[in-house]
Amino acid sequence: DIQMTQSPSSLSASVGDRVTITCRASQSIGTNLNWYRLKPGKAPELLIYAASNLQTGAPSRLSGTGSGTDFTLTISSLQLEDFATYYCQQSHSPPRTFGQGTRVEIK
Amino acid sequence: QLQLQESGPGLVKPSETLSLTCTVSGGSISSSPFYWGWVRQPPGKGLEWIGSIHHSGSTYYKPSLKSRVSISVDTSKNQFSLTLRSVTAADTAVYYCARDTRVLAATWGAWFDPWGQGALVTVSS
Repeated sequence: DIQMTQSPSSLSASVGDRVTITCRASQSIGTNLNWYRLKPGKAPELLIYAASNLQTGAPSRLSGTGSGTDFTLTISSLQLEDFATYYCQQSHSPPRTFGQGTRVEIK
Repeated sequence: QLQLQESGPGLVKPSETLSLTCTVSGGSISSSPFYWGWVRQPPGKGLEWIGSIHHSGSTYYKPSLKSRVSISVDTSKNQFSLTLRSVTAADTAVYYCARDTRVLAATWGAWFDPWGQGALVTVSS
């Protein structure tokens, strides 16, 4: 299985801050990398697909970059709705695997 | 707008079988080229993909769960279902259903969207 490692596991930030989350794959996955946001009691949301494509409806302050084994999700100016847990997921080969999550908390 | 909703018992006894159904509205499973999948999140832990099914009946599962899992589809009801046998406390989780944008001809380049809100299933006697 392809292992996905996110860093940091959690971070504290303020509204307006620029935040970057990193995801590393245990082997090259091209650009087959997706990002999701989870909030308690709500349906998970797809934010970025294929490493850098913003999902329709996702805010433009989000961006994704990377290829091969190293990927980043950046939130350019943190808003209240962004305080949540973020997961990366590889779709290079089955089984589909997720990172362990990055919790973004209010400082 | 495509919507998914999980349903099923919230409490299952150890060694018994967990069964959940996902009802799809706003689109037809049988006319979709995509798969339909299940993902779970144990309390305090991360997301784990369980498996996915195409309306043709093609399935693929997480290998470590394959011996206990079955996913089936009922196109007449626009539903797909998860069965997990011989459950233990480690199977306690929020179970999500989601569209898996994988297509029959390829195993790569897919994502999960949209998702249901999730159903908490507790395994306890």
